[in-house]
Amino acid sequence: GAGVSQTPSNKVTEKGKYVELRCDPISGHTALYWYRQSLGQGPEFLIYFQGTGAADDSGLPNDRFFAVRPEGSVSTLKIQRTERGDSAVYLCASSLATGGGELFFGEGSRLTVL
Amino acid sequence: DQQVKQNSPSLSVQEGRISILNCDYTNSMFDYFLWYKKYPAEGPTFLISISSIKDKNEDGRFTVFLNKSAKHLSLHIVPSQPGDSAVYFCAASRRNAGKSTFGDGTTLTVKP
Repeated sequence: GAGVSQTPSNKVTEKGKYVELRCDPISGHTALYWYRQSLGQGPEFLIYFQGTGAADDSGLPNDRFFAVRPEGSVSTLKIQRTERGDSAVYLCASSLATGGGELFFGEGSRLTVL
Repeated sequence: DQQVKQNSPSLSVQEGRISILNCDYTNSMFDYFLWYKKYPAEGPTFLISISSIKDKNEDGRFTVFLNKSAKHLSLHIVPSQPGDSAVYFCAASRRNAGKSTFGDGTTLTVKP
């Protein structure tokens, strides 16, 4: 598959647990983005990477959220001490370069915190 | 403070007629605008874009119009087809600034 791949597609966890969501971008795409989408709302920006470094993490809601991209390809979004309000679809997108242009989205990881 | 607004949560049109989806923005620093289409259980897919140096961009049945003075853009689909039924998101960005800011979407239903 040549598209953006996200795993797991669904994750149900209990309040207070730790969660990792993985994103495998399109090969050759240097920019990688994480968005969060709640029901009835548009995607909300969390963080984006240019290569291995986080170029803009201004959308991370608090220090329970962290993301890495150690080799400039696959990225992991990590959520500590999950809360019910973290329930949402987490979308990953990649693009050839940063510049506010077209994003290629994965199908998302639906997180439910009970 | 929502910087990109789609004030119509839903729109229903008859097959063959024109669909017009609207979007307003508040940040005058935005200079690139995109429309995405989303089917259930899928991620958004890019549809069409426009740079702030233009006021119109056309791609087949899809045309985006930009009115910078009004900070308003619209997506026209003509003729509308049942397969166009989806959620449409408007997004805005600053060139070379990375992130896009999305509206809350408009659900388009095209009736056969």
